[in-house]
Amino acid sequence: AQTVTQSQPEMSVQEAETVTLSCTYDTSESDYYLFWYKQPPSRQMILVIRQEAYKQQNATENRFSVNFQKAAKSFSLKISDSQLGDAAMYFCACFQGGSEKLVFGKGTKLTVNP
Amino acid sequence: GAVVSQHPSRVICKSGTSVKIECRSLDFQATTMFWYRQFPKKSLMLMATSNEGSKATYEQGVEKDKFLINHASLTLSTLTVTSAHPEDSSFYICSAAKGQGAAYEQYFGPGTRLTVT
Repeated sequence: AQTVTQSQPEMSVQEAETVTLSCTYDTSESDYYLFWYKQPPSRQMILVIRQEAYKQQNATENRFSVNFQKAAKSFSLKISDSQLGDAAMYFCACFQGGSEKLVFGKGTKLTVNP
Repeated sequence: GAVVSQHPSRVICKSGTSVKIECRSLDFQATTMFWYRQFPKKSLMLMATSNEGSKATYEQGVEKDKFLINHASLTLSTLTVTSAHPEDSSFYICSAAKGQGAAYEQYFGPGTRLTVT
């Protein structure tokens, strides 16, 4: 079965500092994609970053980057220069090509302190 | 862009009635749409996968007779909660995949908060 685990229910960071959110996953397939989504209080799911499993290079999007460790099945998100607007729930997710399902972790609530 | 809308954003209904939620892809055609349910302070759980012109595929434990899904066109999928009960109160989110073979690339609607009294 496909599972995604986020071991940090809550995290906090000072504005302008860096924070790393952890995620591990388990899948039996070689064809899969990994995602980090942000869900602010508005509840709108926003894609933060995506990583194709076949790519070795870690994905980056401006202040957001991932550390993709395929052998360890680890996919952490690093947020640099944290801003107040980064405060939200962050969900790690895995999409398996075979089942075509997106499975989410339980989420990490990120608080950014001014 | 890839915008997905949901209507209504909030709905309150009485126990025993049915309520329909619409999910529309506004600027692209979506062969596949997905319906998720999110309980308070919890994660998203996939309820069903909806393909245009065919029957939806429901996840284990989701009652297909209770949660009716219709994907009548490439831009519209509807979820009807039939004979709603208070335990059906939840946040329902749809997503749409932009192209065939690209179900991994999902765009999410803003969600619908259903309250059953």
